[in-house]
Order: sequence, then C-alpha cells, then structure tokens
Amino acid sequence: TQLLEQSPQFLSIQEGENLTVYCNSSSVFSSLQWYRQEPGEGPVLLVTVVTGGEVKKLKRLTFQFGDARKDSSLHITAAQTGDTGLYLCAGGGDSGGSNYKLTFGKGTLLTVNP
Amino acid sequence: KAGVTQTPRYLIKTRGQQVTLSCSPISGHRSVSWYQQTPGQGLQFLFEYFSETQRNKGNFPGRFSGRQFSNSRSEMNVSTLELGDSALYLCASSLVGWSGTEAFFGQGTRLTVV
Repeated sequence: TQLLEQSPQFLSIQEGENLTVYCNSSSVFSSLQWYRQEPGEGPVLLVTVVTGGEVKKLKRLTFQFGDARKDSSLHITAAQTGDTGLYLCAGGGDSGGSNYKLTFGKGTLLTVNP
Repeated sequence: KAGVTQTPRYLIKTRGQQVTLSCSPISGHRSVSWYQQTPGQGLQFLFEYFSETQRNKGNFPGRFSGRQFSNSRSEMNVSTLELGDSALYLCASSLVGWSGTEAFFGQGTRLTVV
C-alpha cells in the first residue's frame, strides 16, 4: 500500500509567521500535487511537481519535490489568515503502474490567527 | 466554464438503505474519479472512469459501485449502507485522467448514515 505521511498534522500560528509542511513517502511517485481544502468545499489544486528537485513558487508559497521524488515540502512565508485550511499532498503514478488515481496524505490542518 | 457539480450536497440515510450520488464533470473532461473523505482515514480512492470504462478501483467492498455515461457524467452507488459509510464523497474530473494533469474537485456530497 502506497502511503503519504504528512507532518505536522495540526499547526496553529500567528499571522506573519513562516511555516513548512512536509509530505513523505517510502515510494516513488511520478508526480506530486498539493491541494488546499476549506470546510465544506472540495480540495483546490495549488501546484503539481513532476521533476525531482523541482521548486515552484506561487506568491508566498514555495513547493519543493525531493530529488528522489519521494518527498515534498510546502513553505509559506508571512502567513495570512486567508491561508487557513487543510493542506493535502497527493501522489500520482505510483510504482504499481497506476496512473489513474491519486494517493492522498491525511493532511495538515493550518490555522492562522490574527 | 462551469466547475464540477455534485448532487445532492447533503444526504441523510438509514442503515441498510442504498444511495446514489451524481457527478457532472467539467465540459470536455472524460475522466471522473471518486474519493471518500473521513476524519480518520482522509481521502481514499474509490474508482476512476474514462469513456464509460472503469480503469482503476480502490480497496472498498463491492457495496460501492459506479458507472459513467456517454456524456461523461458519473454516478456512484452504495448499497446496504453502514454507519461507517458516513463521509464526504468527492468527485474529481480531469481531461484524460493522467495523474500529472490537473484534477478539479466538486464540493462533495455529505452523506450521513443513521
């Protein structure tokens, strides 16, 4: 069974602080995606990374895919209250050859306090 | 461009009943995936359809089934409902279902089994 471990599970910080969320797996994925989900809504895609060592920036968010394509991190600079939500990582194209599903981590619930 | 539409948004059913959930993907998208989200297990893959064919299935009992119509709309059915089936059921659509492409999620159907 392919597993993605996310840490921390919960994170509560003050507005303006920086934070990093981690996503680790013992297996290789051909791509890794990060989503943000707000209560009562479906996940919204933030970024897709496909190349080992790849770094992508989305305003104050920086995403990194590990060289071995087994792990990823999401760094938020100067967090804002609007960043509050559940952050999910999802791996696609697992070693079993399945390209038609995403394997999700359990998520990091981020609360940014004013 | 209209997003992914799931109906109904909320549903309350009694143990032993069956339920059918519907998903209309984004126009032009031919792949539809279904996921179950619970607080304890996170998002778990149910199945994926492309051009009316199921290409991949998750590790769920046979009580969970689905289908896709020629217009790409999809339905999933759960028979003989159990309390543990209470969850948010999410549908995602993408162009062709390759894991490296963007998947768009609907708002989900919140199913409560009493």
